[in-house]
Amino acid sequence: DTGVSQNPRHKITKRGQNVTFRCDPISEHNRLYWYRQTLGQGPEFLTYFQNEAQLEKSRLLSDRFSAERPKGSFSTLEIQRTEQGDSAMYLCASSPMDNWQYFGPGTRLTVT
Amino acid sequence: ELKVEQNPLFLSMQEGKNYTIYCNYSTTSDRLYWYRQDPGKSLESLFVLLSNGAVKQEGRLMASLDTKARLSTLHITAAVHDLSATYFCAVVPNYGGSQGNLIFGKGTKLSVKP
Repeated sequence: DTGVSQNPRHKITKRGQNVTFRCDPISEHNRLYWYRQTLGQGPEFLTYFQNEAQLEKSRLLSDRFSAERPKGSFSTLEIQRTEQGDSAMYLCASSPMDNWQYFGPGTRLTVT
Repeated sequence: ELKVEQNPLFLSMQEGKNYTIYCNYSTTSDRLYWYRQDPGKSLESLFVLLSNGAVKQEGRLMASLDTKARLSTLHITAAVHDLSATYFCAVVPNYGGSQGNLIFGKGTKLSVKP
Protein backbone atom coordinates (compact mmCIF):
# COMPACT_ATOMS: atom_id res chain seq x y z
CA ASP A 1 0.00 0.00 0.00
CA THR A 2 1.59 3.28 -1.06
CA GLY A 3 -0.85 5.65 0.62
CA VAL A 4 -0.35 7.85 3.66
CA SER A 5 -0.05 5.82 6.85
CA GLN A 6 -0.52 6.93 10.43
CA ASN A 7 0.27 5.26 13.71
CA PRO A 8 -1.21 4.51 16.08
CA ARG A 9 -4.75 4.42 14.77
CA HIS A 10 -6.22 4.84 18.22
CA LYS A 11 -4.75 6.24 21.39
CA ILE A 12 -6.37 6.50 24.80
CA THR A 13 -4.45 8.48 27.36
CA LYS A 14 -5.01 10.08 30.72
CA ARG A 15 -5.08 13.82 31.10
CA GLY A 16 -1.64 15.22 31.66
CA GLN A 17 0.21 12.51 29.75
CA ASN A 18 2.26 13.13 26.61
CA VAL A 19 1.42 11.44 23.32
CA THR A 20 3.21 11.20 19.99
CA PHE A 21 1.73 10.33 16.62
CA ARG A 22 3.56 9.36 13.48
CA CYS A 23 2.73 10.02 9.84
CA ASP A 24 4.44 8.39 6.86
CA PRO A 25 3.56 10.31 3.69
CA ILE A 26 3.47 9.03 0.17
CA SER A 27 7.06 8.78 -0.97
CA GLU A 28 8.32 11.73 -2.98
CA HIS A 29 5.57 14.00 -1.67
CA ASN A 30 7.48 16.95 -0.30
CA ARG A 31 4.51 18.65 1.37
CA LEU A 32 3.04 17.31 4.58
CA TYR A 33 0.10 18.71 6.54
CA TRP A 34 -1.43 17.98 9.94
CA TYR A 35 -5.12 18.61 10.61
CA ARG A 36 -7.39 18.03 13.60
CA GLN A 37 -11.00 16.99 13.27
CA THR A 38 -13.52 16.99 16.10
CA LEU A 39 -16.88 15.28 15.98
CA GLY A 40 -19.27 16.87 13.52
CA GLN A 41 -16.74 19.36 12.21
CA GLY A 42 -14.51 19.65 9.20
CA PRO A 43 -10.76 19.18 9.59
CA GLU A 44 -8.84 22.20 10.86
CA PHE A 45 -5.33 22.98 9.72
CA LEU A 46 -2.58 22.65 12.33
CA THR A 47 0.77 22.83 10.59
CA TYR A 48 2.61 22.35 7.32
CA PHE A 49 6.03 21.08 6.25
CA GLN A 50 7.81 21.45 2.97
CA ASN A 51 10.51 18.81 3.11
CA GLU A 52 11.98 19.17 6.60
CA ALA A 53 11.05 22.82 7.07
CA GLN A 54 7.98 23.71 9.12
CA LEU A 55 6.64 26.67 7.18
CA GLU A 56 3.29 27.41 8.73
CA LYS A 57 1.57 26.86 12.06
CA SER A 58 -2.02 27.56 12.92
CA ARG A 59 -2.90 29.50 16.05
CA LEU A 60 -4.65 26.28 17.07
CA LEU A 61 -1.21 24.81 17.65
CA SER A 62 -0.60 25.79 21.25
CA ASP A 63 2.76 25.56 22.99
CA ARG A 64 1.86 22.03 24.08
CA PHE A 65 1.94 20.86 20.48
CA SER A 66 5.11 20.27 18.53
CA ALA A 67 5.68 18.71 15.15
CA GLU A 68 8.80 17.58 13.38
CA ARG A 69 9.81 16.15 10.06
CA PRO A 70 13.51 15.58 10.64
CA LYS A 71 14.59 14.11 7.32
CA GLY A 72 11.80 15.34 5.13
CA SER A 73 10.11 11.96 5.16
CA PHE A 74 7.96 10.87 8.12
CA SER A 75 6.59 13.38 10.59
CA THR A 76 5.69 13.25 14.27
CA LEU A 77 3.15 15.29 16.19
CA GLU A 78 3.60 15.43 19.94
CA ILE A 79 1.09 16.74 22.44
CA GLN A 80 2.40 17.42 25.92
CA ARG A 81 0.26 17.52 29.05
CA THR A 82 -2.83 16.39 27.20
CA GLU A 83 -6.20 17.92 28.03
CA GLN A 84 -9.67 16.56 27.42
CA GLY A 85 -10.16 19.18 24.74
CA ASP A 86 -7.38 17.54 22.75
CA SER A 87 -9.61 14.54 22.07
CA ALA A 88 -10.04 14.46 18.31
CA MET A 89 -9.02 12.71 15.11
CA TYR A 90 -5.58 13.84 13.97
CA LEU A 91 -5.19 13.62 10.23
CA CYS A 92 -2.04 13.78 8.18
CA ALA A 93 -2.01 14.58 4.48
CA SER A 94 0.77 14.65 1.92
CA SER A 95 0.97 16.37 -1.42
CA PRO A 96 3.22 16.85 -4.38
CA MET A 97 3.57 20.49 -5.28
CA ASP A 98 0.22 22.30 -5.54
CA ASN A 99 -1.92 19.26 -6.11
CA TRP A 100 -4.23 16.98 -4.23
CA GLN A 101 -3.72 16.43 -0.55
CA TYR A 102 -3.94 12.73 0.15
CA PHE A 103 -5.15 11.97 3.62
CA GLY A 104 -4.10 9.17 5.92
CA PRO A 105 -6.51 7.11 8.02
CA GLY A 106 -6.01 9.33 11.05
CA THR A 107 -5.16 8.78 14.70
CA ARG A 108 -8.11 9.00 17.05
CA LEU A 109 -7.06 10.42 20.41
CA THR A 110 -9.20 10.05 23.50
CA VAL A 111 -8.10 11.87 26.62
CA THR A 112 -9.77 10.60 29.79
CA GLU B 1 -10.08 35.18 7.48
CA LEU B 2 -11.40 32.74 4.91
CA LYS B 3 -14.69 31.09 5.86
CA VAL B 4 -16.31 28.18 4.09
CA GLU B 5 -19.99 27.53 4.58
CA GLN B 6 -21.87 24.49 3.41
CA ASN B 7 -25.58 23.96 3.29
CA PRO B 8 -27.47 22.03 4.12
CA LEU B 9 -25.53 20.46 6.99
CA PHE B 10 -27.86 17.46 7.04
CA LEU B 11 -29.65 15.99 4.07
CA SER B 12 -31.98 13.03 4.05
CA MET B 13 -32.84 11.86 0.56
CA GLN B 14 -34.83 9.11 -0.99
CA GLU B 15 -33.18 6.84 -3.47
CA GLY B 16 -33.65 7.99 -7.03
CA LYS B 17 -34.03 11.68 -6.16
CA ASN B 18 -31.78 14.57 -7.14
CA TYR B 19 -30.33 17.19 -4.83
CA THR B 20 -27.64 19.86 -4.60
CA ILE B 21 -25.18 20.71 -1.85
CA TYR B 22 -23.89 24.30 -1.77
CA CYS B 23 -20.51 25.59 -0.72
CA ASN B 24 -19.86 29.32 -0.28
CA TYR B 25 -16.49 30.81 0.58
CA SER B 26 -15.66 34.30 1.71
CA THR B 27 -12.49 35.32 -0.16
CA THR B 28 -10.79 34.55 -3.42
CA SER B 29 -9.39 31.08 -3.90
CA ASP B 30 -7.55 29.32 -6.69
CA ARG B 31 -8.67 25.84 -5.86
CA LEU B 32 -11.75 24.16 -4.47
CA TYR B 33 -11.92 20.54 -3.47
CA TRP B 34 -14.69 18.12 -2.63
CA TYR B 35 -14.01 15.21 -0.31
CA ARG B 36 -16.12 12.34 0.96
CA GLN B 37 -15.85 10.88 4.46
CA ASP B 38 -17.48 7.70 5.69
CA PRO B 39 -18.08 7.31 9.44
CA GLY B 40 -14.84 6.69 11.30
CA LYS B 41 -12.82 6.87 8.12
CA SER B 42 -10.48 9.36 6.55
CA LEU B 43 -11.20 11.65 3.62
CA GLU B 44 -11.51 10.42 0.07
CA SER B 45 -10.72 12.82 -2.76
CA LEU B 46 -13.60 13.45 -5.14
CA PHE B 47 -13.00 16.57 -7.25
CA VAL B 48 -10.69 19.53 -7.62
CA LEU B 49 -12.00 22.62 -9.41
CA LEU B 50 -9.43 25.09 -10.62
CA SER B 51 -11.16 27.73 -12.69
CA ASN B 52 -14.37 29.65 -13.08
CA GLY B 53 -16.99 27.54 -14.79
CA ALA B 54 -15.15 24.28 -14.13
CA VAL B 55 -17.38 21.23 -14.04
CA LYS B 56 -16.33 17.74 -13.06
CA GLN B 57 -18.46 14.60 -13.05
CA GLU B 58 -17.96 11.15 -11.63
CA GLY B 59 -20.84 8.74 -11.67
CA ARG B 60 -23.85 10.29 -9.96
CA LEU B 61 -21.89 13.26 -8.63
CA MET B 62 -21.21 16.48 -10.49
CA ALA B 63 -19.32 19.46 -9.08
CA SER B 64 -19.16 22.98 -10.47
CA LEU B 65 -17.45 26.22 -9.55
CA ASP B 66 -18.43 29.87 -9.94
CA THR B 67 -15.48 31.92 -8.71
CA LYS B 68 -17.28 35.23 -9.19
CA ALA B 69 -20.07 34.16 -6.85
CA ARG B 70 -17.58 32.24 -4.67
CA LEU B 71 -19.88 29.27 -4.91
CA SER B 72 -19.45 25.60 -5.66
CA THR B 73 -22.19 23.05 -5.98
CA LEU B 74 -22.18 19.28 -5.68
CA HIS B 75 -25.15 17.83 -7.52
CA ILE B 76 -26.37 14.34 -6.80
CA THR B 77 -28.34 12.58 -9.50
CA ALA B 78 -30.63 9.63 -8.80
CA ALA B 79 -29.19 9.03 -5.34
CA VAL B 80 -28.35 5.52 -4.18
CA HIS B 81 -27.68 4.26 -0.66
CA ASP B 82 -23.94 3.93 -1.32
CA LEU B 83 -23.69 7.71 -1.55
CA SER B 84 -24.54 8.06 2.14
CA ALA B 85 -21.56 9.82 3.71
CA THR B 86 -20.41 13.26 4.80
CA TYR B 87 -19.27 15.54 2.00
CA PHE B 88 -16.81 18.35 2.61
CA CYS B 89 -15.79 21.21 0.42
CA ALA B 90 -12.43 22.83 1.05
CA VAL B 91 -10.63 25.80 -0.42
CA VAL B 92 -7.05 26.99 -0.51
CA PRO B 93 -6.79 30.62 0.62
CA ASN B 94 -5.50 32.89 -2.11
CA TYR B 95 -3.48 35.24 0.06
CA GLY B 96 0.21 35.79 0.56
CA GLY B 97 1.76 33.37 2.98
CA SER B 98 -0.75 30.62 2.34
CA GLN B 99 1.07 27.34 1.98
CA GLY B 100 -1.75 25.41 0.42
CA ASN B 101 -3.45 24.38 3.63
CA LEU B 102 -7.12 23.58 3.15
CA ILE B 103 -9.95 25.45 4.84
CA PHE B 104 -12.88 23.08 5.22
CA GLY B 105 -16.59 23.61 5.55
CA LYS B 106 -18.46 21.83 8.32
CA GLY B 107 -19.60 19.10 5.98
CA THR B 108 -22.95 17.91 4.71
CA LYS B 109 -24.11 14.63 6.18
CA LEU B 110 -26.05 12.85 3.47
CA SER B 111 -28.35 9.94 4.23
CA VAL B 112 -29.99 8.15 1.32
CA LYS B 113 -32.97 6.07 2.28
CA PRO B 114 -34.72 3.43 0.20
